[in-house]
Amino acid sequence: QVQLQESGPGLVKPSQTLSLTCTVSGDSISSGSYSWNWIRQPAGKGLEWIGRIFKSGTTDYNPSLKSRVTISADMSKKQFSLTLSSVTAADTAVYYCARDREVGAYWYFDLWGRGTLVTVSS
Amino acid sequence: DIQVNQSPSSLSASVGDRVTITCRASQTISRYLNWFQQKPGKAPNLLIYAASSLQSGVPSRFSGSGSGTDFTLTISSLQPEDFATYFCQQSYSSPYTFGQGTKLEI
Repeated sequence: QVQLQESGPGLVKPSQTLSLTCTVSGDSISSGSYSWNWIRQPAGKGLEWIGRIFKSGTTDYNPSLKSRVTISADMSKKQFSLTLSSVTAADTAVYYCARDREVGAYWYFDLWGRGTLVTVSS
Repeated sequence: DIQVNQSPSSLSASVGDRVTITCRASQTISRYLNWFQQKPGKAPNLLIYAASSLQSGVPSRFSGSGSGTDFTLTISSLQPEDFATYFCQQSYSSPYTFGQGTKLEI
């Protein structure tokens, strides 16, 4: 059974860099027709897609965050990571990692981590 | 970016009711529309992908329809465990975008 688990600091100071890691268990992140994504959700609000990485290493970011975001992967460790620089209180949210699966040219998030709350505060 | 407008934002219903939630995309997205259910404190759970395909393990009372710009999620007979928030999401083009959510309440 494939599972995703986010990890990282729950508190980040304003202007600093947020760093999270998603560990995939039960499968390789270099196999299959998948991309590996980060999505966030401020408390009581909707979902915002941050970006993704493909097994080729190609990345794709939300333009609204692109200047501050980097997603990378360590295939040998079955991990992918998010860094978000120059954070403000507006970046406070639950951060999810998720697997995006392709079937017949359709993509959908079929597997999610449990999420981790990151608070930006001094 | 493709905007996805979801309605209603909240909905009151009873067990056994048939309910419908709608998403409208700001441009045509063919059938690249997915539906998720989210319960408090939990990650979203995929219900429907490609507008009308039922994800494995999801009860058949959930169904999706639509193509182009207008899409519908229908729950044929509400069960107590269905009271949750529902989101649609377009996967037609990057950046992926989500609807604002529909909170389904008793």
